[in-house]
Amino acid sequence: DIQMTQSPSTLSASVGDRVTITCRASQSIRGWLAWYQQKPGKAPNLLIYKATTLQNGVPSRFSGSGSGTEFTLTITSLQPDDFATYYCQQYNIYPFTFGPGTKVDI
Amino acid sequence: QLQLHESGPGLVKPSETLSLTCTVSGDSITNSSHYWGWIRQSPGKGLEWIGSLYYIGRTNYNPSLKSRVTISADTSTNQVSLKLNSVVAADTAVYYCAKHSGVASFDSWGQGTLVTVSS
Repeated sequence: DIQMTQSPSTLSASVGDRVTITCRASQSIRGWLAWYQQKPGKAPNLLIYKATTLQNGVPSRFSGSGSGTEFTLTITSLQPDDFATYYCQQYNIYPFTFGPGTKVDI
Repeated sequence: QLQLHESGPGLVKPSETLSLTCTVSGDSITNSSHYWGWIRQSPGKGLEWIGSLYYIGRTNYNPSLKSRVTISADTSTNQVSLKLNSVVAADTAVYYCAKHSGVASFDSWGQGTLVTVSS
């Protein structure tokens, strides 16, 4: 299985901050990476797919970059609604695997 | 608008079979563009993909669960089912159904249902 890691595990930030989360894969997944946002008691919500493509309806302050084994999710100008946990997921090969998550809090 | 809704018992005894149903509305599970997956989330293991079904009956399962999992479809009711047998406490989790399009990200999710394994 492809192992996914994320850093940091927790990130303290303020409204207006620029935030960067890193996701690493144990082997190359080319660009087959997704980012999800999850709020307490809710299902994950797709933000970005194919490493850089914004899902319809997702604000443009979210962006993704990377390929191969290292990827980043950037939130420019953090908003109150963005305090949540973020997960990466590889879908290069089965079994699909997720990162352990990064909690963004105040 | 596509909606997915998981349902089933919230409590299952150890060694028994966990059975959940995902009711899909707003699209047909026979849509050849879609796969229907099950994912679970527990405090100890985070998000774990269980398996996915393509409407013609083709399935892919996580090798870690493959010996205990069956995912099937009922086209008459537009539902996708998950069965996990011989459950143990570690199978306690929130179970989600979700849609993806082939080897792709999960772009629609149900709200999830908590299943506790306990005697």
